Amino acid sequence: DAGVTQSPTHLIKTRGQQVTLRCSPKSGHDTVSWYQQALGQGPQFIFQYYEEEERQRGNFPDRFSGHQFPNYSSELNVNALLLGDSALYLCASSLASGLAQPQHFGDGTRLSIL
Amino acid sequence: AQSVSQHNHHVILSEAASLELGCNYSYGGTVNLFWYVQYPGQHLQLLLKYFSGDPLVKGIKGFEAEFIKSKFSFNLRKPSVQWSDTAEYFCAVNLPSSASKIIFGSGTRLSIRP
Repeated sequence: DAGVTQSPTHLIKTRGQQVTLRCSPKSGHDTVSWYQQALGQGPQFIFQYYEEEERQRGNFPDRFSGHQFPNYSSELNVNALLLGDSALYLCASSLASGLAQPQHFGDGTRLSIL
Repeated sequence: AQSVSQHNHHVILSEAASLELGCNYSYGGTVNLFWYVQYPGQHLQLLLKYFSGDPLVKGIKGFEAEFIKSKFSFNLRKPSVQWSDTAEYFCAVNLPSSASKIIFGSGTRLSIRP
């Protein structure tokens, strides 16, 4: 049973650069959420994608954008990277329904900004 | 804005000791509540969840949590911990009206002495 897979595992960038992170949801899931987890903190909700559209967004600037593809996989793009963007980026997938569905998390992408 | 507070940042216990991790949230309406666990080197996993009904919720690996609405609390308990319970524990909440957005606490690191 394929869980949530994320790539790459680690990434090092410099300030001002742009980065793209990728996520494949758990088999059968159609909804993808992205979270940022800074060191020593809990995950913070960035946004969620369903039916290839952004369904809800957390308190993150427009430098953070995303995309969902017809096969339900998703990308997180961050432009004009800042030192403060260094964090573990988590992808979570779930099945859309009227009730809150537990989200299944990937192992994350560790992004370091120099 | 909704928030989740976990007051214990690091808890150290001996094997067989009883565990209680505190979690308080700030929202006066109906909420869905979760506890997630992250074992060393692994991804976040759902430990248990509360949506409605019996306020005492049983999860995996002998964990349980009690929802006390009057105290806005959802504390996690286990009568006898094992060394394998060493992990980071996150309390989380979302609103039924905003089912896609999960708000996490900052986490409690649990260390078990063998």
